[in-house]
Amino acid sequence: AQSVTQLDSQVPVFEEAPVELRCNYSSSVSVYLFWYVQYPNQGLQLLLKYLSGSTLVKSINGFEAEFNKSQTSFHLRKPSVHISDTAEYFCAVSDVSGGGADGLTFGKGTHLIIQP
Amino acid sequence: ETGVTQSPTHLIKTRGQQVTLRCSSQSGHNTVSWYQQALGQGPQFIFQYYREEENGRGNFPPRFSGLQFPNYSSELNVNALELDDSALYLCASRQGTGGAYISPLHFGNGTRLTVT
Repeated sequence: AQSVTQLDSQVPVFEEAPVELRCNYSSSVSVYLFWYVQYPNQGLQLLLKYLSGSTLVKSINGFEAEFNKSQTSFHLRKPSVHISDTAEYFCAVSDVSGGGADGLTFGKGTHLIIQP
Repeated sequence: ETGVTQSPTHLIKTRGQQVTLRCSSQSGHNTVSWYQQALGQGPQFIFQYYREEENGRGNFPPRFSGLQFPNYSSELNVNALELDDSALYLCASRQGTGGAYISPLHFGNGTRLTVT
């Protein structure tokens, strides 16, 4: 079984400042890693994912995350945030060998609050 | 293309009642999964259906059951509702089951269930 820890429930940051949302996972097997974003009253949208290959993955809207196997982390970063980035961010893992049938295991989420 | 749609958007039920939630998968998607998201928590995997058969289940009791129809629409049924069943229920669809999550999950906006 896997587990995901998102250490910060809320992260306030000023507009145009950099931000890092932390995610650590625990698993006895190889995993796929994901970041999802949830805007108010909406479902989740995939932000980026790590399946294999380069440990640094990037989204089209400026976010990036780096898979660190030794530290079992998958922190999300953005060099300069905008008001529109205000949302709930969820880190998730999936067992590589499960074929997807085991579902995703999510963290509790981090609320990113952008202050003008 | 049409995304994942869920109905109803909100629902209020009394403890002990039964409820059915509905989901229309994104066009071309043959795999659907359901998640429960309690207030302030990350989504929790309930189960997954592929070609009308349940092929994965999370840690939920049997009173949570589902169906997937030939047109890939889906239902989540919950019997003997309890107060703790109050949550946002999310449906997600994707194409195929092989190569877990190579094809990303597409989430609907959810059904907010309140049990009183």
